[in-house]
Amino acid sequence: DGGITQSPKYLFRKEGQNVTLSCEQNLNHDAMYWYRQDPGQGLRLIYYSQIVNDFQKGDIAEGYSVSREKKESFPLTVTSAQKNPTAFYLCASSISGGAVTDTQYFGPGTRLTVL
Amino acid sequence: GENVEQHPSTLSVQEGDSAVIKCTYSDSASNYFPWYKQELGKGPQLIIDIRSNVGEKKDQRIAVTLNKTAKHFSLHITETQPEDSAVYFCAASRPLYSGGGADGLTFGKGTHLIIQP
Repeated sequence: DGGITQSPKYLFRKEGQNVTLSCEQNLNHDAMYWYRQDPGQGLRLIYYSQIVNDFQKGDIAEGYSVSREKKESFPLTVTSAQKNPTAFYLCASSISGGAVTDTQYFGPGTRLTVL
Repeated sequence: GENVEQHPSTLSVQEGDSAVIKCTYSDSASNYFPWYKQELGKGPQLIIDIRSNVGEKKDQRIAVTLNKTAKHFSLHITETQPEDSAVYFCAASRPLYSGGGADGLTFGKGTHLIIQP
């Protein structure tokens, strides 16, 4: 079964705690992305990674951190510095490479609620 | 940076009628325009996309048109069915690296499509 998996589906966190969201893909894609979605809003790019051991900030990186130690994994940590972390978090991947824009495929998402 | 405007925010049509959702973008360097369908509590699913060297693309009941001069693109769904009810997002790409590679997508705010039986 090929695709992108995210876990957990629902996550609850107390204020002041860091929390890590998992994203795994078995599509052999080079590029991976994290987006945040708020109610009634489009998706906004948090971080992206074009290749293993490399990642870059997106439009709203403050309060988040990532790592890319393996090609298939791109975990996102929501730190206590993120002022409004309650949202739906979506991970995506694309083949990447070359000058042609590649299709991004999304995982099922993780809904994070800060109590 | 890129800015994508999407209209309408809500669209209600009778089953069997057509639905049209429109988007405009600001960055003339954008060259890839996907459309995603998102059902409640799920991740977005790509339904169709178009690249800047093409003016129109069709896949069964779904079509997308692109006008690069005017910087707008539209999604057309014909013979709508109840299962078409969802939120639809348009997006425009923008290069994140000057040498190519991973691109970011700038999304519109979505259109809630409601198919009335």
